[in-house]
Amino acid sequence: KAGVTQTPRYLIKTRGQQVTLSCSPISGHRSVSWYQQTPGQGLQFLFEYFSETQRNKGNFPGRFSGRQFSNSRSEMNVSTLELGDSALYLCASSLDPHYEQYFGPGTRLTVT
Amino acid sequence: AQKITQTQPGMFVQEKEAVTLDCTYDTSDQSYGLFWYKQPSSGEMIFLIYQGSYDEQNATEGRYSLNFQKARKSANLVISASQLGDSAMYFCAMRANAGGTSYGKLTFGQGTILTVHP
Repeated sequence: KAGVTQTPRYLIKTRGQQVTLSCSPISGHRSVSWYQQTPGQGLQFLFEYFSETQRNKGNFPGRFSGRQFSNSRSEMNVSTLELGDSALYLCASSLDPHYEQYFGPGTRLTVT
Repeated sequence: AQKITQTQPGMFVQEKEAVTLDCTYDTSDQSYGLFWYKQPSSGEMIFLIYQGSYDEQNATEGRYSLNFQKARKSANLVISASQLGDSAMYFCAMRANAGGTSYGKLTFGQGTILTVHP
């Protein structure tokens, strides 16, 4: 069974631009969660989607948004990028929110 | 609110020896789950082991075992017979199991870098 895939793997953007990251969960998994990982703040929860509905959201500004499609694939969008948004963005999927989460390889975003 | 504390920024172990990585947690939830993940330098988080708060026995998965002491709120990871490939960052995480505002949310510790020497 294929694992969680994330595209692109690496991304370089400039301040003020926007970016869209994509995540394809493991087949059959309906829950997708997103995390931001930085050296200073560690791993922080962004949001979680289950059956196309956002069930939970972390403490991030409104510039961070996401959505989930009917095939469980998920996208997250960051608008008006800031230097501090440079991070590894990890997507995780699970059968539902009560099961263990399996992570993708991440998208490393650099904002210059 | 949930909090995970990993007090060991770095640990060293000789190949084939056992090592314990510490994790303490704080939560007001009655039902919760504790997880350990491994993150190699490539960045991908690899799920290792899970312990539910109502599980009476400590979880084991191959060379990994979780030493769960509920009264002390600790969930230490024990890796037996360390291998060079075990060198990585290890994260302890928890999640409330009761739903509500905890859906899909893992709270992570700061991690412990494990280095296995030959």
